[in-house]
Amino acid sequence: SQQGEEDPQALSIQEGENATMNCSYKTSINNLQWYRQNSGRGLVHLILIRSNEREKHSGRLRVTLDTSKKSSSLLITASRAADTASYFCATDLLTGGGNKLTFGTGTQLKVEL
Amino acid sequence: DVKVTQSSRYLVKRTGEKVFLECVQDMDHENMFWYRQDPGLGLRLIYFSYDVKMKEKGDIPEGYSVSREKKERFSLILESASTNQTSMYLCASSLGGGVNYGYTFGSGTRLTVV
Repeated sequence: SQQGEEDPQALSIQEGENATMNCSYKTSINNLQWYRQNSGRGLVHLILIRSNEREKHSGRLRVTLDTSKKSSSLLITASRAADTASYFCATDLLTGGGNKLTFGTGTQLKVEL
Repeated sequence: DVKVTQSSRYLVKRTGEKVFLECVQDMDHENMFWYRQDPGLGLRLIYFSYDVKMKEKGDIPEGYSVSREKKERFSLILESASTNQTSMYLCASSLGGGVNYGYTFGSGTRLTVV
């Protein structure tokens, strides 16, 4: 089964609204990362949060991490049509040897004008 | 601009063919990975390599093999292509060491086996 599970599977919002996506995972991690994938393309790294961090910001992105609940959220503020994409969380597992990430199934975000 | 290059964006092959998917990175990264992506299943790890001539099985290695003769190149081989290997294949690389600080992905190869 997937280490990371995103929620919701799909999200549709209006331009200018905020978008929140959640990720839950099962085992202890070194860090958690978020990626974006535009349709039919490769994934692009957005942001990384370490297991000892609770919140991190990068431009319009805000990521939180709750290791006690094994969950993370990605907030995109003031969304734009160009934010339309799929978003994936990925975990670097504490027992994974540091060499691989485990990805969730993704949230499809659609931002409408 | 640093990048990971996959040799083909789209590929159509016949059942039973031997298929080679090539991936090259120019960042001197230690680690390289092959994932396949299918609707509803997310990304699943096929094989990865953390050094030249080293390879490790991922979660779904059956029907695949890999080759890493040079640090910058990681090839995925479908020994005898089958229709259930129709998928998007994604190559990625990362710096290496004890903690993974993020992947750089290629643009993907959409493979159709007919």
